[in-house]
Amino acid sequence: EDQVTQSPEALRLQEGESSSLNCSYTVSGLRGLFWYRQDPGKGPEFLFTLYSAGEEKEKERLKATLTKKESFLHITAPKPEDSATYLCAVKIAGSARQLTFGSGTQLTVLP
Amino acid sequence: DAGVIQSPRHEVTEMGQEVTLRCKPISGHDYLFWYRQTMMRGLELLIYFNNNVPIDDSGMPEDRFSAKMPNASFSTLKIQPSEPRDSAVYFCASGKGGANYGYTFGSGTRLTVV
Repeated sequence: EDQVTQSPEALRLQEGESSSLNCSYTVSGLRGLFWYRQDPGKGPEFLFTLYSAGEEKEKERLKATLTKKESFLHITAPKPEDSATYLCAVKIAGSARQLTFGSGTQLTVLP
Repeated sequence: DAGVIQSPRHEVTEMGQEVTLRCKPISGHDYLFWYRQTMMRGLELLIYFNNNVPIDDSGMPEDRFSAKMPNASFSTLKIQPSEPRDSAVYFCASGKGGANYGYTFGSGTRLTVV
């Protein structure tokens, strides 16, 4: 069965304390892995798409990496405004269901 | 660009009533998706359209749910009759081409059925 699992469920960091969020997947054929950010009361906001193992994408303090089993979202020297829920999603080959989302990691960055 | 526009932002209704959620996608986007988000189940795809045609509605929970896209700039998700377990945040998203890009989500409609 295709699965997308994110860990940890919640993460509290001090401002400037770097860390990583994990998205592990078990799918029959990955066509793309997506990272989104969701703020309270808002819809998910697209961050990155990764297509193949070894690929990396960066945006400000965020860097996403992909292996054959998982993806990491590295947050370097986070600021309080990075506090949000981070969602990963996969596009599965041959699936008509488009994106399948993980349950998210709620990140809190304390000043 | 005003983004994906959803209305209403909040809806409180009584069990058994009909509820209609509305979505205006971004102009030029040929894909439209309806998702539901709950604490228990996360984000679930309900249905999606390509060029106004429903492609996959297998995520629609039951016959009480229906969705239409009469033209490229408007879609509705209707629940009739509504039940308390339908309480959730419903998101509409739109995008261009296939799924290998980032969709743009609306701000959602928070539905409460009492």
